[in-house]
This record gives sequence, C-alpha cells and structure tokens, in this order.
Amino acid sequence: GEDVEQSLFLSVREGDSSVINCTYTDSSSTYLYWYKQEPGAGLQLLTYIFSNMDMKQDQRLTVLLNKKDKHLSLRIADTQTGDSAIYFCAESMGNQGGKLIFGQGTELSVKP
Amino acid sequence: DTGVSQNPRHKITKRGQNVTFRCDPISEHNRLYWYRQTLGQGPEFLTYFQNEAQLEKSRLLSDRFSAERPKGSFSTLEIQRTEQGDSAMYLCASSRTPGNEQFFGPGTRLTVL
Repeated sequence: GEDVEQSLFLSVREGDSSVINCTYTDSSSTYLYWYKQEPGAGLQLLTYIFSNMDMKQDQRLTVLLNKKDKHLSLRIADTQTGDSAIYFCAESMGNQGGKLIFGQGTELSVKP
Repeated sequence: DTGVSQNPRHKITKRGQNVTFRCDPISEHNRLYWYRQTLGQGPEFLTYFQNEAQLEKSRLLSDRFSAERPKGSFSTLEIQRTEQGDSAMYLCASSRTPGNEQFFGPGTRLTVL
C-alpha cells in the first residue's frame, strides 16, 4: 500500500543544521518531493529527487535517498528563523504525472 | 507566469448547501490536480485531469463531489449537500508532462456550519 511517514516536530537553534526524515512504503515510487508550507499559505515545492539518485544538493538543501530502506531525508544547512514551517515529503508513481502521496508533515521550529 | 490561482480563498456555508470552487492553473500546464487538507494532516489526493480528461478519482471523492475541466484550462470542484466533515482546505495544483513537479495554489478554505 501507499504510506508516507514523518516525525511530527523538530526544534533547532538558528545556525544549526536541520534534518527532517521520511519513510515511504511503495518501492515503485519514481520521484520523491519535499514541500514547505508556511502558516496560512499553500505548498511551496522545495526540491525533488529521482529514485535512481541517492543524493541531490541545492544550495542549503541536501536530499538523501536510501532506496533499500525506503528512507528520505532533507538537510537544511545554517537553518534560519525564516525556515520555520511545516515540511512535507511526498512520493509519486511516475514522471508522466499522477497523484502525490504526502506524509503528515514535520513542523520545524527554529529558535534564535 | 502568475502561478496557480484559486477562488474564493475562503468560503463559509451552511450544512446542506452546495459550493463551487475554481482553479486556474499555470498556463502551459496540461495536468491539474485537486487535493484536500485537514488540520494537522498532509494533503490527500482527490482527482486529476490531463487536459479535459479526468484520469483518476480517489475513493474520498464521494458522489457529492464533482470536478470538471471543460476546456482543459480552468477547473471547478463542486460539493453538493455539504456536511460539516467537508470543512477543510481544498488545494489545486498543476504540472506539465513530462515530469511531475506539481505547483500548488493558495487553497480555498471551506467552513461548513
């Protein structure tokens, strides 16, 4: 079945690195995504990784994918107070479109 | 590129009334998706279109829900005989093929009294 799980909360100090983890169950997932949602706002696509990759870096963001363990992580370097938000991971079954299956979201709180 | 827009942003209605929401996708995107998000949860897929064809519907989409995309551009989501359990944020997203990067609109928050 399709299921995506995340821890609910993470608290870090400004300047530290944040690591948000996600596990998924469907081994046929081809793309995995990270979205950011700020209070009262829609979802902002941060980054994504194709399932044949194990790492992707984009400025302060690093995505690691362990396909064997079905584990995805998002590392935010030098976390800022503006990074406080809810982060969702999502899986997709194909690159020709189709539904995304989202986790519950991890609320990141960055303390000054 | 003006992004995905949704109207209205907020809707308050009484139980039993019908409501309709509109989504305008990014102009060159041929796929359009509807999701529902309740407090403390991630978005749940409802349905999606490629051009004007509705390709998949979730079992969450009861017979009180209907979605259309008549000309392959904007889409509407209608809920008939609303129930309090329909209160949620309704999100629209669009993407183009190939690829599946879905860009979301700001959502329509529905409150059913």
